[in-house]
Amino acid sequence: GQQVMQIPQYQHVQEGEDFTTYCNSSTTLSNIQWYKQRPGGHPVFLIQLVKSGEVKKQKRLTFQFGEAKKNSSLHITATQTTDVGTYFCAGRHTGTASKLTFGTGTRLQVTL
Amino acid sequence: DTEVTQTPKHLVMGMTNKKSLKCEQHMGHRAMYWYKQKAKKPPELMFVYSYEKLSINESVPSRFSPECPNSSLLNLHLHALQPEDSALYLCASSPGWAPSTDTQYFGPGTRLTVL
Repeated sequence: GQQVMQIPQYQHVQEGEDFTTYCNSSTTLSNIQWYKQRPGGHPVFLIQLVKSGEVKKQKRLTFQFGEAKKNSSLHITATQTTDVGTYFCAGRHTGTASKLTFGTGTRLQVTL
Repeated sequence: DTEVTQTPKHLVMGMTNKKSLKCEQHMGHRAMYWYKQKAKKPPELMFVYSYEKLSINESVPSRFSPECPNSSLLNLHLHALQPEDSALYLCASSPGWAPSTDTQYFGPGTRLTVL
């Protein structure tokens, strides 16, 4: 089936350190979205990337979409305790417009 | 109003019970979704409604029965569930006018426990 894998599964950093999660799809994606889910919460939309090679920034967060549109990354600079949560990428495989396939997720823990 | 609401927040039911989960949005969105999420796992798509018609059923067992009474409401009827169906059930909506790039807005979920 169409899978979207993320690595690492879990990362524990000290506040101020950087963090990156990588998202890899078995097939080409028409677009990729990123969501954050706080512990006990629900997924909240962060950003969408559509173009090959696209890079977008939101304050300390940098998102990239690979040239082949099969991978993506989220980089957080100088993490804060408010960044704690699970980060999911979610993509639409070409030809499945309404269906969003979520990646396996990366759980981020930040300590002082 | 930019939120999706879900009731109840928590539900405990026996395997012989019949219950319903409810979802509501007033953003004028025309696509609505049910997802199931187990602990430490990503949301798994169950159903998609587009313009009040069921457009995707991800081979979900018939003990889960979705219903879309109107463009703002989405129900999930539950009957004869199994303990392994215990999970967080998330509802989401999206504008529906450009399915290939729509952002999904999630509700807070219903945490279901089947005894």
